[in-house]
Amino acid sequence: NAGVMQNPRHLVRRRGQEARLRCSPMKGHSHVYWYRQLPEEGLKFMVYLQKENIIDESGMPKERFSAEFPKEGPSILRIQQVVRGDSAAYFCASSSNRLTGVKAFFGQGTRLTVV
Amino acid sequence: GQQVMQIPQYQHVQEGEDFTTYCNSSTTLSNIQWYKQRPGGHPVFLIQLVKSGEVKKQKRLTFQFGEAKKNSSLHITATQTTDVGTYFCAGPPQGGSEKLVFGKGTKLTVNP
Repeated sequence: NAGVMQNPRHLVRRRGQEARLRCSPMKGHSHVYWYRQLPEEGLKFMVYLQKENIIDESGMPKERFSAEFPKEGPSILRIQQVVRGDSAAYFCASSSNRLTGVKAFFGQGTRLTVV
Repeated sequence: GQQVMQIPQYQHVQEGEDFTTYCNSSTTLSNIQWYKQRPGGHPVFLIQLVKSGEVKKQKRLTFQFGEAKKNSSLHITATQTTDVGTYFCAGPPQGGSEKLVFGKGTKLTVNP
């Protein structure tokens, strides 16, 4: 029973390149959440998706960031034209139902370094 | 917007000493969750508290949810080196949002 799977675990990109982060939720989970964590900081909510739908993207930067959760395959967080400030750990969490009343399981994260 | 504050930011203890971290929300919470993150690791769910004044125990860990549902605490009795990590509290903002607002965490180090 695999947990939340994120890949890659570490990603290095040069400024201006694109970064694609993948998240496969736990089996049976249809709710996916992306969070960003800067060093020595807490996690900041980015986006909440259900299959094929973005439910809440209030934490997403207006430009260069996008997320999807297609009917088939993993959820993707895409960052275009990366800048140094995008360097962070990006965590994905999934749940079986709405978060209220249920816990979220986090993946091991993708550590993005922009050089 | 909702803010969740945790104190202290850092805590160094000798093995065997007790440890407490406090969490305060600027708004009333429907529930509060606690997570532990080891260095280089990912957040791992510890517990969820829902009821006003609720107290839950997990071995040496005691979690408390305030009567007003705006504050919470985590107390560890007789710390061990395996307790090292950052402890986060998190709660959903008002209005039924599905996102969690995290505190900045308390980083615990334990000297053997």
